[in-house]
Amino acid sequence: EDQVTQSPEALRLQEGESSSLNCSYTVSGLRGLFWYRQDPGKGPEFLFTLYSAGEEKEKERLKATLTKKESFLHITAPKPEDSATYLCAVRREGGGSYIPTFGRGTSLIVHP
Amino acid sequence: ETGVTQTPRHLVMGMTNKKSLKCEQHLGHNAMYWYKQSAKKPLELMFVYSLEERVENNSVPSRFSPECPNSSHLFLHLHTLQPEDSALYLCASSQDVLVINYGYTFGSGTRLTVV
Repeated sequence: EDQVTQSPEALRLQEGESSSLNCSYTVSGLRGLFWYRQDPGKGPEFLFTLYSAGEEKEKERLKATLTKKESFLHITAPKPEDSATYLCAVRREGGGSYIPTFGRGTSLIVHP
Repeated sequence: ETGVTQTPRHLVMGMTNKKSLKCEQHLGHNAMYWYKQSAKKPLELMFVYSLEERVENNSVPSRFSPECPNSSHLFLHLHTLQPEDSALYLCASSQDVLVINYGYTFGSGTRLTVV
């Protein structure tokens, strides 16, 4: 069974204080790992898809990295508008399964 | 606007009521999904439609009944719900069930409260 564990559950940062969110996963053959951002009262917004260990993707202050067991979402010099819940999901390779398994998310609050 | 529109945004219903949630996408996507999001829990997949055909039913109770009349519209019909069904119901779409490059596009959800 595929598993996704995100840590920490909640994170409070001061504006400008860089940090990382972790997504540990167990899957029998990774097809892709996804990061989403979810603001209160809204649906998740797609950020990145990572496919293989060593891959990195960046968007503004966010950088996602991938190893064979985990992914990190690095937030550099965060601003209050980066406050949101960040969700990680994995999708298995083959086997007829095309549905991702989501983690519980990390709630990030950035104080001005 | 995300491209996926859900109505209503909020719904309060009694346990004996019948109501429907509506989802609409104008992205030209071929796959549509219903998810349930409860506090402190991961997103729970409910149903998947590919080109209007249901391809996944994730052991959802029969009090939830989906309908996909065309590739742009998805409904979730609700009847005789329980208080534990209170949650945020999210609709999503993707280019195809097999294409993952751009993930899913989610709507803003319907916040459902069962009293």
